[in-house]
Amino acid sequence: EDKVVQSPLSLVVHEGDTVTLNCSYEVTNFRSLLWYKQEKKAPTFLFMLTSSGIEKKSGRLSSILDKKELFSILNITATQTGDSAVYLCAVGITYSGGGADGLTFGKGTHLIIQP
Amino acid sequence: EAQVTQNPRYLITVTGKKLTVTCSQNMNHEYMSWYRQDPGLGLRQIYYSMNVEVTDKGDVPEGYKVSRKEKRNFPLILESPSPNQTSLYFCASSLTGQAAPYEQYFGPGTRLTVT
Repeated sequence: EDKVVQSPLSLVVHEGDTVTLNCSYEVTNFRSLLWYKQEKKAPTFLFMLTSSGIEKKSGRLSSILDKKELFSILNITATQTGDSAVYLCAVGITYSGGGADGLTFGKGTHLIIQP
Repeated sequence: EAQVTQNPRYLITVTGKKLTVTCSQNMNHEYMSWYRQDPGLGLRQIYYSMNVEVTDKGDVPEGYKVSRKEKRNFPLILESPSPNQTSLYFCASSLTGQAAPYEQYFGPGTRLTVT
């Protein structure tokens, strides 16, 4: 059974701290790994990673994938209260039979940034 | 504006009363999907569709039906809703193809309560 595990499940830090969120996976037919941010509404896309060792950056956020060890991390530096959200990791897979792609989500990390 | 729309946004209904949640996207995406999100369980895929007239089951399809008669629309049908289908539902769409799954765009969500 495909599995995506995120840790920690929740995290409380102070503004200005740096945080690292973890995502490990065990899936068949891996295609990609995606990170989403969810505030009190629909998830919004952050990154898609397909190759090991290549860091993706967007402002204070960055992410990297290790396809050998089957995990990814999401780093947020100089955190702000607006970073408070649930961060979702999802792995893109090809369903058996080919031709179809889906996303298997982790349960998310609930990040709270205190002023 | 590129978007995925869902209607209704909030719905309270009674057990057994058939309902439909509509989903529409204006990005000409081939791939559409329905998820439900429950506390502690994360996002779970209900059904997905690779293109018109092509649908398939996700992880939790029991009690749901879908149809894809047009590329832009992907309604979710609950023929006989039960209280365990009380949840937050998201529709999503994306491009697809031979490469890894493209980022999925999520609708705003439909909060369904079945009493």
